[in-house]
Amino acid sequence: TQLLEQSPQFLSIQEGENLTVYCNSSSVFSSLQWYRQEPGEGPVLLVTVVTGGEVKKLKRLTFQFGDARKDSSLHITAAQPGDTGLYLCAGGGRWTSGTYKYIFGTGTRLKVLA
Amino acid sequence: DAGVTQSPTHLIKTRGQHVTLRCSPISGHKSVSWYQQVLGQGPQFIFQYYEKEERGRGNFPDRFSARQFPNYSSELNVNALLLGDSALYLCASSGILDTQYFGPGTRLTVL
Repeated sequence: TQLLEQSPQFLSIQEGENLTVYCNSSSVFSSLQWYRQEPGEGPVLLVTVVTGGEVKKLKRLTFQFGDARKDSSLHITAAQPGDTGLYLCAGGGRWTSGTYKYIFGTGTRLKVLA
Repeated sequence: DAGVTQSPTHLIKTRGQHVTLRCSPISGHKSVSWYQQVLGQGPQFIFQYYEKEERGRGNFPDRFSARQFPNYSSELNVNALLLGDSALYLCASSGILDTQYFGPGTRLTVL
């Protein structure tokens, strides 16, 4: 069972357009992280959100944590070709087995065309 | 400050062999996690160690094992390699709030 669902799975847009990526779960997270990954490299942390309803801005990127801490969104304004990559949400917790696991979302592959 | 380091960068093994991957965390981080990432998919959680104790485990067979040393570095061992073990193996260290800082990964190819 995938605990973190991301949408859309793929996104191809023109430079200058805006976009939003969603990360949804039926579980409550104490914190959620967003990462961006380039092919063949490790994910790079973009932001950590902790408080329900929290909004964080990182230049053209805006991150929001849902009030119930079950979902999050990433909004990119005026996308640039340099934003191209795999965007991943992730969070940790104790699931049905009782043991701790850190779970990644299904990923959103973004391509920004010049 | 140095980030997370992993060695080796690339590795080629044959089926049935054993492999050991190494990771050094960011200075001051006491937790190390290991992930497997198959091409086209997101990272899958294998293990997390905190203060040399296993804190968490993903859904991987017993062929996968790990340990953490007193200096907080870690090793991931995989026995009886299968073709399906070919992947990018990522190590991450964390301090607080589960935020993971990733190394560049080790690309393992099993022939």
